[in-house]
Amino acid sequence: SAVISQKPSRDICQRGTSLTIQCQVDSQVTMMFWYRQQPGQSLTLIATANQGSEATYESGFVIDKFPISRPNLTFSTLTVSNMSPEDSSIYLCSVEEWVPGELFFGEGSRLTVL
Amino acid sequence: ILNVEQSPQSLHVQEGDSTNFTCSFPSSNFYALHWYRWETAKSPEALFVMTLNGDEKKKGRISATLNTKEGYSYLYIKGSQPEDSATYLCAFRSGTYKYIFGTGTRLKVLA
Repeated sequence: SAVISQKPSRDICQRGTSLTIQCQVDSQVTMMFWYRQQPGQSLTLIATANQGSEATYESGFVIDKFPISRPNLTFSTLTVSNMSPEDSSIYLCSVEEWVPGELFFGEGSRLTVL
Repeated sequence: ILNVEQSPQSLHVQEGDSTNFTCSFPSSNFYALHWYRWETAKSPEALFVMTLNGDEKKKGRISATLNTKEGYSYLYIKGSQPEDSATYLCAFRSGTYKYIFGTGTRLKVLA
């Protein structure tokens, strides 16, 4: 199974600033996924990061707020821009392996916005 | 809008107790149902992938059942141990292959 490293693991940020989260996978993957879990809410897909093309965003998420880079098949970044307290969440990077057909996750980045 | 519900939201049990939780999901357009265990500061860990109505899966003291016709899955833990303390997530996959997660059941096993 894929091993996924994320950093930072946690951070405390000031309102109005931006933070970039990095995700490194130990194997080449076509798609990487970014999820968010707000307090008391379910894991929600933000976007799918495809190498060589723009990310595909889910309803309610926009590129200006969550720009994503995918420079190669093992790495992606998610930026949370112009942060507000509502952005305080755990952000997770994940990849899917078709055999056995499940998602693998990084350890998450816990952001607190003051 | 597809909705996945998990209950209870949280529970505390004594070491040695057996426990179970529920995941409810849409009964139409079913592809798979996943269970994950998520310990604090760690990656969510896949427990089971269930695809067939009537499926039963077992891993050690943890087992799960699936009823796709009525749209629910149960996760059972027999003889709970403190190391079982975690949030248990279920995720429903429809024919579009997207994962819809529940909010999780937070389990605390008291020694």
